[in-house]
Amino acid sequence: NAGVTQTPKFRVLKTGQSMTLLCAQDMNHEYMYWYRQDPGMGLRLIHYSVGEGTTAKGEVPDGYNVSRLKKQNFLLGLESAAPSQTSVYFCASQSGGQSSYNEQFFGPGTRLTVL
Amino acid sequence: AQSVAQPEDQVNVAEGNPLTVKCTYSVSGNPYLFWYVQYPNRGLQFLLKYITGDNLVKGSYGFEAEFNKSQTSFHLKKPSALVSDSALYFCAVRDTGRGSTLGRLYFGRGTQLTVWP
Repeated sequence: NAGVTQTPKFRVLKTGQSMTLLCAQDMNHEYMYWYRQDPGMGLRLIHYSVGEGTTAKGEVPDGYNVSRLKKQNFLLGLESAAPSQTSVYFCASQSGGQSSYNEQFFGPGTRLTVL
Repeated sequence: AQSVAQPEDQVNVAEGNPLTVKCTYSVSGNPYLFWYVQYPNRGLQFLLKYITGDNLVKGSYGFEAEFNKSQTSFHLKKPSALVSDSALYFCAVRDTGRGSTLGRLYFGRGTQLTVWP
């Protein structure tokens, strides 16, 4: 049981380049989330998904897109990277419904630097 | 609006001493409260949660947290700190009130705990 995995672990991009971060979970969780972590800012929600084929905007969605074509995978895309998107990105998953008391499970993170 | 405050960016304690990491919250309905720990270059790990019932909840690695509804607080505690407890700690709240956004978690900014030998 691998839990939540993220690919890649590190990436350096030039401004304007694009990339996709992959998150996979093997716990059959309905809900999946993408966060970014910046020093002194805590975790901020970028986008989330409540099930296969559905996505929604979080707190800081601008400059990012997501897709959830399969229940176990949640992809985060940067179409045209900017230095402000330099951050550590975490994926999380959770079972249960809207008011679930279940905790979220986090992946190990992707450290992205945009030059 | 939902929010979480961790008033201390840093907490320093000596090994063997008790530790407290503070957290206060604001929600419109009843809160579900969580503590997570993050070790360097790792993802967040779940420590404990409060849903209902006893105000004192026990979690992993000897940690516990006390829910205080009147003070809207959920402070993390440990009777005897270890050097290996040094990490970044996050408090989070899920609002279960009407209009809450699909059960999302709101995180505090984190508190860096340092336990020295």
